[in-house]
Amino acid sequence: DTAVSQTPKYLVTQMGNDKSIKCEQNLGHDTMYWYKQDSKKFLKIMFSYNNKELIINETVPNRFSPKSPDKAHLNLHINSLELGDSAVYFCASSQAQGGYYEQYFGPGTRLTVT
Amino acid sequence: GNSVTQMEGPVTLSEEAFLTINCTYTATGYPSLFWYVQYPGEGLQLLLKATKADDKGSNKGFEATYRKETTSFHLEKGSVQVSDSAVYFCALLNTGFQKLVFGTGTRLLVSP
Repeated sequence: DTAVSQTPKYLVTQMGNDKSIKCEQNLGHDTMYWYKQDSKKFLKIMFSYNNKELIINETVPNRFSPKSPDKAHLNLHINSLELGDSAVYFCASSQAQGGYYEQYFGPGTRLTVT
Repeated sequence: GNSVTQMEGPVTLSEEAFLTINCTYTATGYPSLFWYVQYPGEGLQLLLKATKADDKGSNKGFEATYRKETTSFHLEKGSVQVSDSAVYFCALLNTGFQKLVFGTGTRLLVSP
């Protein structure tokens, strides 16, 4: 009965490659997010989707492209991977937008670029 | 802009000691405030929340009170256990911006 799941859990790849991370939530939530956690544990939002529409796009290189095929899924595709992309990427979801709706996080995907 | 400041860690305590992790925030409007916990090798779990001034969030023996006058949301627990060892994140969610803004996290280490 996993609420927010991500695949893969670990991803090791070389610079220049293209990779994807998948996220699915079974909570019936309308809004999904991608966060990046750097090596110092600092967490920052990257993207947010509400009902498959992009609503937040932080200052993220355009090598990162989120895709939401339906409101239960939000995938993250990364082109031309760089060393600085190494981080843990967390997917999250919330019932709706707004300050009253807590966000539920997935287990994270640790991306290592060599 | 919106920001969250947490005390730097690690915080090292013996079992059954009293815990306080300080958190202060800067925000426009009236944000909701959260504490998340990240156990080693795991994702973030919501620990507690407060959505308006003077609200007290509580869960698993942890408490935090939303203090608008001091813009603070300090996390407390009366008696910590070894199993509480984790990284604790304070965060705010401002309705106008619709995104969680996290503090830098505070690592708690509890020894037997």
